[in-house]
Parts: sequence; structure tokens; C-alpha cells
Amino acid sequence: AQKITQTQPGMFVQEKEAVTLDCTYDTSDPSYGLFWYKQPSSGEMIFLIYQGSYDQQNATEGRYSLNFQKARKSANLVISASQLGDSAMYFCAMNLRKGAGSYQLTFGKGTKLSVIP
Amino acid sequence: DAGVTQSPTHLIKTRGQQVTLRCSPKSGHDTVSWYQQALGQGPQFIFQYYEEEERQRGNFPDRFSGHQFPNYSSELNVNALLLGDSALYLCASSLGPPGQGFRGQYFGPGTRLTVT
Repeated sequence: AQKITQTQPGMFVQEKEAVTLDCTYDTSDPSYGLFWYKQPSSGEMIFLIYQGSYDQQNATEGRYSLNFQKARKSANLVISASQLGDSAMYFCAMNLRKGAGSYQLTFGKGTKLSVIP
Repeated sequence: DAGVTQSPTHLIKTRGQQVTLRCSPKSGHDTVSWYQQALGQGPQFIFQYYEEEERQRGNFPDRFSGHQFPNYSSELNVNALLLGDSALYLCASSLGPPGQGFRGQYFGPGTRLTVT
């Protein structure tokens, strides 16, 4: 069964330092998309970054970058220069093909990131 | 430009009752997906509506049903509520059903349902 694994329930990082949040995935389908979302205590899921399975380069969006290692089936999120506002839950998700032109988003259990002043 | 809105924000129901949650998609979006997020878990896909039809469904019982209206807004209905239905229910909207390269799914703030 396809699934997403986030092995770090919680992480701490000093303000202005970089942090890596781990994500591994399992699928036999060559066509998929990988996402990271941020969920503050307010509950809304905020899209951070996306990586397609056929993309040759690692995705970057401002302070966020995705370390995509296809052979190892990992898609780690790197946040550079952490800010206090980065404290939140972070979810890794995979968009899997469920049929002709039909995809479904599957989430991991999340990592709670706490940024220390 | 209004984002995805959901109502109500919080809801308390008794076991066995029925509940209806509502979602208005982001302006210009025509597809709505619903997710259930239990405490301490990631969201789980319930179903997706496009062109007023259910297009995809996750592993949820028939007690969970939905509807999409001509203005693209959507409702999630849950019958015969169980204690285990207590969760944050998230609605997400997009322009067209998600494809492989899809990245434009926007989430609402959710409705927190408590079943006692």
C-alpha cells in the first residue's frame, strides 16, 4: 500500500538556524507528486512546496527547499533561517494516481516544529 | 479575493445525531475535496466533488455523504455520528480535479466537530 512516513513527531530548532524535516514514501507508481504543507494552530493547511516525480531538480520556494532523493524514496523539507513564525505542524503528502487522470492526496502523520528564540 | 471558507467553525453533537458541514471554494475554483483530520494525525481524504458529482472517494463508510451545488459550494453530511467521528474536517478547493502535477489545492480553516 502506498504511504507516507514522517519519523520525527517533534523537532526543535534555534531561531535563524536551518532544520530538516524527514519524509519517506512508498509507491510503485512512477508518476506521483510530493508536497509539504504547514498547519499552524489555527488549523488551515498552507501549501509550501511541490516536487514532481519526473522533475530533475530539487524544488525551492524562498526559504523552503525539498531534498528529493528518488532512489531512496525520500523527500525531506529543509527550512533555512528559521523564524519564530515557522513553529507549526508540517505534513508531507503524496499525490497518487487512482485512475485515468484521477489523483488522490495522502498525508503523513506530521512533525511538530518548535522554533526557539 | 476570498479564500476557502467553512462553516461552522466549531460544532458539538451527540452520538447518533446527524451533522452538515459547509464549504465555499476559493473564487474561480470548481472542485472541492473533503478531509478528516483526527487529533494527532494527518488529514485523510473523504471524497471529492467536481461538476456536482462525487468523483473520488476514500475509505469512509456510507454514513459520510456529500453534495456540490451549481455555485461549486459543497456540503459534507455525516449520519449516525460516532465518538470516533470527532475530528477537524477540512475542505480544499481547486480549479479542476487534481492531476499528477497539480499544486493548486487551497485549504479552508476547517470545522472542528466534537461528538459526545
